[in-house]
Amino acid sequence: GAGVSQSPSNKVTEKGKDVELRCDPISGHTALYWYRQSLGQGLEFLIYFQGNSAPDKSGLPSDRFSAERTGGSVSTLTIQRTQQEDSAVYLCASSLGTSGGNEQYFGPGTRLTVT
Amino acid sequence: ILNVEQSPQSLHVQEGDSTNFTCSFPSSNFYALHWYRWETAKSPEALFVMTLNGDEKKKGRISATLNTKEGYSYLYIKGSQPEDSATYLCAFINNYGQNFVFGPGTRLSVLP
Repeated sequence: GAGVSQSPSNKVTEKGKDVELRCDPISGHTALYWYRQSLGQGLEFLIYFQGNSAPDKSGLPSDRFSAERTGGSVSTLTIQRTQQEDSAVYLCASSLGTSGGNEQYFGPGTRLTVT
Repeated sequence: ILNVEQSPQSLHVQEGDSTNFTCSFPSSNFYALHWYRWETAKSPEALFVMTLNGDEKKKGRISATLNTKEGYSYLYIKGSQPEDSATYLCAFINNYGQNFVFGPGTRLSVLP
């Protein structure tokens, strides 16, 4: 079966431009997470969606970051007015539910480079 | 702020050696601990999901133990192989939240 997919795989953008990153979770997975890994850092939680509940946005680093999840499936992470410190690998993961007992399935990531 | 630590940061072993590393997490309000393996140029893959104090899980040559009272988990690899080379991540979730806090990882290199 299809796993989690993300697009684009690589994105190079100029400082100040907006970017959109897409995540297609595994069908039937109600929970969706966004993380990022900056160079030399660990995985940093950004935002979490569960079904139709309000998302947990507690990890978003600034108001330039936002995310949507349409129809409980595809999610888009938007970064406005990109800065060089936004350069990172952005990973999406999905799982069966809210329970911490459900393993997460990760996508291949989007490598964002802001020049 | 929840703090999840892993040690060592990196590790080099010879093929055939057995090794282990540690994940430390807050001992209060524990809900679950996950272990993931992240190979270069691939996505992180789940190894174990552990929820009960005293849990011991095994998958092939890899096993893990959990002590929620003292806040640590060990990951063991028996007879390391070059294909075990990866970054091993643990992730903690407590009773109050639904988001995971990942440790910084242990980077394992197995030399042939």
